[in-house]
Amino acid sequence: DIQMTQSPSSLSASLGDRVTITCRASQTISNYLNWYQHKPGKAPHLVIDTASTLQSGVPSRFSGSGSGTEFSLTISSLQPEDFATYYCQQTYTIPYTFGQGTKLEIK
Amino acid sequence: QVQLVQSGGEVKKPGASVRVSCRASGYTLIHYPISWVRQAPGQGLEWMGFIRDYNGNTDYAQNFQGRVTITTDTSTSTVHLDLRSLTSDDTAVYYCARGGIPPRYSGTWQFWGQGTLVTVSS
Repeated sequence: DIQMTQSPSSLSASLGDRVTITCRASQTISNYLNWYQHKPGKAPHLVIDTASTLQSGVPSRFSGSGSGTEFSLTISSLQPEDFATYYCQQTYTIPYTFGQGTKLEIK
Repeated sequence: QVQLVQSGGEVKKPGASVRVSCRASGYTLIHYPISWVRQAPGQGLEWMGFIRDYNGNTDYAQNFQGRVTITTDTSTSTVHLDLRSLTSDDTAVYYCARGGIPPRYSGTWQFWGQGTLVTVSS
């Protein structure tokens, strides 16, 4: 199975901050990488697919980059609704696997 | 609009089985793959398996092989997840999620059910 490793596991930041979450795959996955936002009591929400494609309706302050084994999700200016847990997920091969999550909290 | 509506929460005893259902509306069920993903308390997301759109075949994560079955009832546009031999480790919120097409997007889930809490306790 492909192992996905996110860093950091948790992140404390203030409104307006720029934050970056990284995700590393244990083998190359091309650009088969998605990012989900997950809030307590809600279903996960797809933010970015194929490493850098922003989903419709997702604010442009979100961006994704990377290919191969190294990926990142950047939020350019944190808003109150952005505080959540973020997961990367590879879709290169079955079983689909997730990173362990990055919990983004308000400082 | 696309909606996935899941069945209600369940409480089961260890060793029992559970069925979680996911009713789709707003599109033709068999035109898109459906995955099941779960989240145990305090843990991350875990993919369990999926049923393909184009042929109805299934793939399951190794962790669940032999204990899980995903089926489709086209008459009710419903996908079922059956999980057997439950243990306390199976206590989790279970989500269905619709994948995209073509197959490279099978694991990209834009639409999700609301989640179903399954509690396994003696």
